[in-house]
Amino acid sequence: GENVEQHPSTLSVQEGDSAVIKCTYSDSASNYFPWYKQELGKRPQLIIDIRSNVGEKKDQRIAVTLNKTAKHFSLHITETQPEDSAVYFCAATYNFNKFYFGSGTKLNVKP
Amino acid sequence: GAVVSQHPSRVICKSGTSVKIECRSLDFQATTMFWYRQFPKQSLMLMATSNEGSKATYEQGVEKDKFLINHASLTLSTLTVTSAHPEDSSFYICSAKQAETQYFGPGTRLLVL
Repeated sequence: GENVEQHPSTLSVQEGDSAVIKCTYSDSASNYFPWYKQELGKRPQLIIDIRSNVGEKKDQRIAVTLNKTAKHFSLHITETQPEDSAVYFCAATYNFNKFYFGSGTKLNVKP
Repeated sequence: GAVVSQHPSRVICKSGTSVKIECRSLDFQATTMFWYRQFPKQSLMLMATSNEGSKATYEQGVEKDKFLINHASLTLSTLTVTSAHPEDSSFYICSAKQAETQYFGPGTRLLVL
């Protein structure tokens, strides 16, 4: 099956700085890569996603890049705010059949 | 957006008993639902894929006789933890697939004493 690795496990940044979280996947057939934000005790919420036919996608302060050849994708958050503090998970799936998650990154944005 | 509910949100049970967790898609029909298990400060581990009208597909290492899944309708999937033991204590989250997106339930925290 698919194996998704995520780094770093924890990330502390100063408010206003950028944060980057990286994931790699093993199955070259995977073609959809969502990112989720999970606040303590709450359900994961989709924040951005990217398909395998696209190299980059941006939504305001959040962007995701995908390198199919290297099988890695990254989440970029610019101008971080304290409310961005949460655990972020990447995931990979082939045709939305099964979603395999990375191990998560705890982001702490210091005011 | 689409809403998925789970019931109960929290349950405490004695070792050896069975616990049923419900996952409902409230405003859409979901032929496919997923069950995940999440340990503290860890990722979501896919346990099984629940398909309406057919048997669930379990991930490697997940005991199908211990974690019974029933997807009886297009809006309801249930996970029954049979003969629960303390090591089954965890946070169980379901998700329902609508088109190309999965929507998560709020989770059920199970504590087995």
